[in-house]
Amino acid sequence: AQSVTQLDSQVPVFEEAPVELRCNYSSSVSVYLFWYVQYPNQGLQLLLKYLSGSTLVKGINGFEAEFNKSQTSFHLRKPSVHISDTAEYFCAAYRGGSQGNLIFGKGTKLSVKP
Amino acid sequence: DSGVTQTPKHLITATGQRVTLRCSPRSGDLSVYWYQQSLDQGLQFLIQYYNGEERAKGNILERFSAQQFPDLHSELNLSSLELGDSALYFCASSDRRGGNTIYFGEGSWLTVV
Repeated sequence: AQSVTQLDSQVPVFEEAPVELRCNYSSSVSVYLFWYVQYPNQGLQLLLKYLSGSTLVKGINGFEAEFNKSQTSFHLRKPSVHISDTAEYFCAAYRGGSQGNLIFGKGTKLSVKP
Repeated sequence: DSGVTQTPKHLITATGQRVTLRCSPRSGDLSVYWYQQSLDQGLQFLIQYYNGEERAKGNILERFSAQQFPDLHSELNLSSLELGDSALYFCASSDRRGGNTIYFGEGSWLTVV
C-alpha cells in the first residue's frame, strides 16, 4: 500500500536558520509528489510539486525539494526561514489507478522563533 | 487564491442534522475531490468526481454522499451528523482525471454540537 511518512511532527527553528522537513513515500511505481502548506486557520496552498524531470524542484516562498528515488524521499528545504513561514506542512503523493487521489502525510508543524 | 470556492466557511449544527457543503472548482477543471481534515485522522480522501461521474472513493461514510452537477460544481451531503463528524472539509479540483496538480479551497469548518 502506498503511504507517505513525515518523520517529524514538529520542527522548531530560529529565524534565518535553515530548515529541512523530511518526507518519505512508499511505492513501486512512478509517483507524483507534492508539498502543501497550511497557515493557521487557512486552507491548503500548493508549495511545490514533482511530476517528472529535474529532481530539484523550486517552489514558492523560497522553498525547494529534492526527489530521491533510491531513498524514496522528497525532503523540503529552505536556506533561511522567516517568522511568516510558521505553518503546518504536508507532503502528499498521488496514487493513480482506480483509486486515484492524493495521500497525505500527517503533517509537520514548523515553528519559527525570533 | 486557488480559484476553488467553498461555502459555507463555517457551520455549526446539532447532532442528527443534515448539512450540504458546496464547492465550485477552478474554471475549466473537470475533477473535484473532497477531503476531511480532523485532528485524529489527519487529511482523509473522501471521494472524487470527474465530469459529473464518480471516479474514486475513499473513506467516505454511508451517511455522506456527494454529487457533481452539469455546471461542474459539487456538493457534499452529510446526514445524521455525529460529534465525530466535526472537521474541516476541503474541496479540491484539477483539470484532469488525476496525476496532475490538485488545488484546494479554503475549506468548510463543520462543528457538530
